[in-house]
Amino acid sequence: EVQLVQSGAEVKKPGESLRISCKGSGYSFTSYWISWVRQMPGKGLEWMGRIDPSDSYTNYSPSFQGHVTISADKSISTAYLQWSSLKASDTAMYYCARKLYSSSSPLDYWGQGTLVTVSS
Amino acid sequence: QPVLTQSSSASASLGSSVKLTCTLSSGHSSYIIAWHQQQPGKAPRYLMKLEGSGSYNKGSGVPDRFSGSSSGADRYLTISNLQSEDEADYYCETWDSNTHVFGTGTKVTVL
Repeated sequence: EVQLVQSGAEVKKPGESLRISCKGSGYSFTSYWISWVRQMPGKGLEWMGRIDPSDSYTNYSPSFQGHVTISADKSISTAYLQWSSLKASDTAMYYCARKLYSSSSPLDYWGQGTLVTVSS
Repeated sequence: QPVLTQSSSASASLGSSVKLTCTLSSGHSSYIIAWHQQQPGKAPRYLMKLEGSGSYNKGSGVPDRFSGSSSGADRYLTISNLQSEDEADYYCETWDSNTHVFGTGTKVTVL
């Protein structure tokens, strides 16, 4: 069974750093991109960026480039999303999702989400 | 980069059908899209991949009530025999070599 299991909810203060994780199982982790998607409270889905776990190559949305870092450790089938200095506006639910290395393949499995709350 | 346009809401009676539309921006009418369902308080769920030809492939466990079709730049999701659990937000998604794009989502209400 394909699973993407994300780390638990986080409550942080502005200026703090954070790394959340997404662990894949039930498939070949290095055969799929992992994307991160933001959903702010009451809003829609926003694609943030993705990583190729086989070589850690990344693409970022211009809206998120420079604000977050996506990384992966293929030895433990885990992708990460991290912030060096959180802002209140980073409060959102964050999802990971996988995509096969194929031009015709969509995001086809999603993690359960990680709620990040940033408040002083 | 492509842009996806969705209406904000749709409603239909229990047991009836509803057809949602996702429109691709000019110059991108041949793009493949995907439909995702997000029930209240839950993570999104992949429903299907839909090509410009109208051919679609559904995800694992997606009921037969869900089907897809296409016309030009428009991609459709039809839900037949609408059930209470179909009340959700529905997002279309497309992608190219470097990015993914989501539509703004359609909220489906079951009357």
